[in-house]
Amino acid sequence: ETGVTQTPRHLVMGMTNKKSLKCEQHLGHNAMYWYKQSAKKPLELMFVYNFKEQTENNSVPSRFSPECPNSSHLFLHLHTLQPEDSALYLCASSQERSGGAGSYNEQFFGPGTRLTVL
Amino acid sequence: AQTVTQSQPEMSVQEAETVTLSCTYDTSESDYYLFWYKQPPSRQMILVIRQEAYKQQNATENRFSVNFQKAAKSFSLKISDSQLGDAAMYFCAYLGTYKYIFGTGTRLKVLA
Repeated sequence: ETGVTQTPRHLVMGMTNKKSLKCEQHLGHNAMYWYKQSAKKPLELMFVYNFKEQTENNSVPSRFSPECPNSSHLFLHLHTLQPEDSALYLCASSQERSGGAGSYNEQFFGPGTRLTVL
Repeated sequence: AQTVTQSQPEMSVQEAETVTLSCTYDTSESDYYLFWYKQPPSRQMILVIRQEAYKQQNATENRFSVNFQKAAKSFSLKISDSQLGDAAMYFCAYLGTYKYIFGTGTRLKVLA
């Protein structure tokens, strides 16, 4: 496997279910991200992990719970979701910018998990 | 707060022709980066081109080039000699202070 992989690719769940999304990056990066992509909306950054430490949580409801056991793996645990949570969930990774001119942290994206909440 | 605006939800271009996708942004930062990402129907988003704000020269990557107007806070993407494989959603993105902000995207259709 190369790049960023995500499983499952499609997930249908009821509002009372508990499920998890998995992301794995094979690029040796030190930062990982969860995004939510809904139709006609900008990508919404949900969580950021740098060096396995969560550095950002953009007011995401507690029914979404991230976990980053190591720098290569990222999970998004889901429970008691709502129908409006149906979306494409994208994982990305990057090498944290070292700072100074000429450096940047280009993000590499996975294929996404299409989540449908019934 | 920074914002990124893509005012064209959908664009069409004839194969082999040139198309320009527009993007404007708002920021008070002086050091930042701008990107165009492409998301084909298979959904995996890939980087098309990037521009460092401190560079005046417009970035070019094969058939893809940008028109970066820092004062106007404009960052348009030009695709020359359009190919069927260019059909995708294109997202403009801003990176400043370690945070990415994306636009709503422009769906590009390429007509044979």
